[in-house]
Amino acid sequence: DIQLTQSPSSLSASVGDRVTISCRASQFISKYLNWYQRRPGKAPNLLISGASSLQSGVPSRFSGSGSGTDFTLTISSVEPEDFATYYCQQSFRTPPITFGQGTRLEIK
Amino acid sequence: QVQLVESGGGLVKPGGSLRLSCAASGFSINDFYMSWIRQAPGKGLEWLSYISTTSNFTTYADSVKGRFSISGDNARNSLYLQMNNLRAEDTAIYYCATWTCGADCYFKYWGQGTLVTVSS
Repeated sequence: DIQLTQSPSSLSASVGDRVTISCRASQFISKYLNWYQRRPGKAPNLLISGASSLQSGVPSRFSGSGSGTDFTLTISSVEPEDFATYYCQQSFRTPPITFGQGTRLEIK
Repeated sequence: QVQLVESGGGLVKPGGSLRLSCAASGFSINDFYMSWIRQAPGKGLEWLSYISTTSNFTTYADSVKGRFSISGDNARNSLYLQMNNLRAEDTAIYYCATWTCGADCYFKYWGQGTLVTVSS
């Protein structure tokens, strides 16, 4: 199975900060990496697919990059509604479909 | 408008059974592979199972293989998860989602989830 390791597990930021979250795969996954946002009490929301394709309706302050084993989610300027938990997920070799353990973005 | 609504969660004793439902609207479940995912308290997201568009292929995570069974009803446009021999560690919010594949695959549409609590 492909393992995904996110770092950091949590981070604190202020509104307006630039934030980066990393996701490392245990083996090569090309660009088959997706990012989700989960706000408390809400269902997860797909932000980015294929490592860097922004989903329709997702603000442009979100961006994704990477390929192979190392990927990054960047929020260029954090807004109040961005404080949530973020998950990466691979679709290169399934089943199983695997997620990272999550990164919690908190208000500083 | 695409909508997924889960139901059937609740409190069940260890060793018991529960059947979750996911009613789809705004699309046909034949259009997508459909999947169940859960999130246990304080834990991350865990994929459990998916079923093909024609319902002739299913697959499961090792953690639920042999205990859980996924199925679909095209006439009711609904997805189900039969959960048997439940354990305390199955306590979680259970989500249904579409497993959408084009150039790549991802969970595009999600329900709001239904809570399952396994406790004596």
